[in-house]
Amino acid sequence: EAGVAQSPRYKIIEKRQSVAFWCNPISGHATLYWYQQILGQGPKLLIQFQNNGVVDDSQLPKDRFSAERLKGVDSTLKIQPAKLEDSAVYLCASSLRGPNTQYFGPGTRLTVL
Amino acid sequence: AQSVTQPDIHITVSEGASLELRCNYSYGATPYLFWYVQSPGQGLQLLLKYFSGDTLVQGIKGFEAEFKRSQSSFNLRKPSVHWSDAAEYFCAVGAGSGGSNYKLTFGKGTLLTVNP
Repeated sequence: EAGVAQSPRYKIIEKRQSVAFWCNPISGHATLYWYQQILGQGPKLLIQFQNNGVVDDSQLPKDRFSAERLKGVDSTLKIQPAKLEDSAVYLCASSLRGPNTQYFGPGTRLTVL
Repeated sequence: AQSVTQPDIHITVSEGASLELRCNYSYGATPYLFWYVQSPGQGLQLLLKYFSGDTLVQGIKGFEAEFKRSQSSFNLRKPSVHWSDAAEYFCAVGAGSGGSNYKLTFGKGTLLTVNP
């Protein structure tokens, strides 16, 4: 069974530029999560989708971050414009609906200069 | 709201020694508890989980964890550490009302160094 796929693996941008990350979850997983992991900290949930609907985006900085999951499968997370403090690893995870194990992708390491 | 505390930021052990990583959680109901491991440049890999039943759970790579409700703890153990166990370990609590808003809250992690 294929795992959660993410791309790109690494990205370096200048502040005020925009960037997008892509995630393809495990087939059949209805729930998709985006996390931000700053160096030295645990992952922090940014947004949670159930199929193509948003369940929780309370921690998403909506003035600069956006995410979509239009067909209920893959998802895109965008940052526009980026700030220095956005430097982090962005992790995507997926699970079956409800209290089930979340499976994580390899992450995208973003560096904002 | 739920929270997780991992009191040890960094632990160093010798190869072959036993290991215990501490995790304390705060949640009003019975939690779902997880331990994940993250190697450098990698995503998180599930080691083990507790949903219900036997409070001593076995995981992959020889790890086990014990849920102690009275202490709000879910400590991770391994009897003999291998050099390949060097990584960062995250404890997480899963909670939510109903099926669709279930989510994980992570601790800050414990970095494990293994000396030869």
